Formats: sequence, C-alpha cells, structure tokens
Amino acid sequence: DVKVTQSSRYLVKRTGEKVFLECVQDMDHENMFWYRQDPGLGLRLIYFSYDVKMKEKGDIPEGYSVSREKKERFSLILESASTNQTSMYLCASSFWGSYEQYFGPGTRLTVT
Amino acid sequence: AQSVAQPEDQVNVAEGNPLTVKCTYSVSGNPYLFWYVQYPNRGLQFLLKYITGDNLVKGSYGFEAEFNKSQTSFHLKKPSALVSDSALYFCAVRDGGNDMRFGAGTRLTVKP
Repeated sequence: DVKVTQSSRYLVKRTGEKVFLECVQDMDHENMFWYRQDPGLGLRLIYFSYDVKMKEKGDIPEGYSVSREKKERFSLILESASTNQTSMYLCASSFWGSYEQYFGPGTRLTVT
Repeated sequence: AQSVAQPEDQVNVAEGNPLTVKCTYSVSGNPYLFWYVQYPNRGLQFLLKYITGDNLVKGSYGFEAEFNKSQTSFHLKKPSALVSDSALYFCAVRDGGNDMRFGAGTRLTVKP
C-alpha cells in the first residue's frame, strides 16, 4: 500500500514563527502536492512538485514556500506564520501521468 | 483552468435508501474526474475515477458515478446507503496536467 506520512497531526505555533511541515511518501512517486483544507472551501492547492528541486505554484502560494531536496520528501514552509494560516494541511503524492493522488493524514495547524 | 462545483453542502438520507452526491465540472479539454471520501480526522481516500470509456464508473465500497458530458456532471451514487457511509465527499477534476482541483465538499449523513 502507498503510504504518505506527515510529521505532525497537530501543531500549535505563535504568530511570526517559522513553521516546517514535512511530508514523506514511500512509493517513489514523482509528483507531490500541498493543500490546505478549510470548511466550505474544500481543498486548495498551495504548491506542487513534479521532480526533485522543481516546484510550481498552486492557487494560493502567498505566505508559503516549499522544498524538495529528495524525491520522497516535500516540505511546506511558513516563513512567518499568521493567524489566517490556521488550517488543516494535507500532503499528497502521485506517479507522473497517473491519475489518483494518495493523501497523508493531515496536519492541523493552529497559529495563535 | 479546471474547476468543480458541489452544489450541496449537506445531503441527508435514510439507511437503505439510494444516495446521490452531485458534482459539476469545467475544463478546457477532456476531463479526468475523481471522487474522494474523508472520514473524521483522516486524510482523503480515493473512491473512483473517470478517464475515458464507459460513462458509469464503479468504485470502492459499492459506490458508482455517472459521467454526463452534455451536462458536465459526475454525480456519485450508491443504491443502498449505510450509516458507515457518513463522511465528507469531494469531487475533483484534472485537465491532463499533473495538478487537480477539488470541490468544496458535501457532507453526507446517513441516518439509521
């Protein structure tokens, strides 16, 4: 089975802190994605990557950056956390040209 | 750019009755359509997909979906609902690229 893991299930940070969310997949997938999930808004794509050191902006990249130094790992970085970044963050991966994405369990981030 | 709409925030059905969760899409080319389910405090699980071929697609847990090109719809259906089907359901679309867009989600509640 495909396994996508995220470093934390719950995280509480203060405004202005730098926050790292880590995602690791074990199926040699080329593509990796970061979404945030908010009630009534569904999933919104923040960034995605189709290869090591490659990244593409999604629909809401402002306030976020990403890093992909190894194929299996995709990190989401909040340079200076703000309260409006309080959300559920979901990581996903897929093969290149494949169709379905496989999701991690999510990280619920609260910024106070 | 591709997008999906889920017109109902909430769907309530009685156990044993048929259920339908609605989805309409917009893409510039051929659509690749998906349904995912999310149980409480979990990531998204893949249910089924339409890529090409038969308009009626069968997926996991007895769910199926019907692709209707003229109505640009991809409604999720199940002939007989179970209480355990209660969850949040997301429709998603790709247009051939590697990124996917999700709807806002529909909360399905099946009452005994």
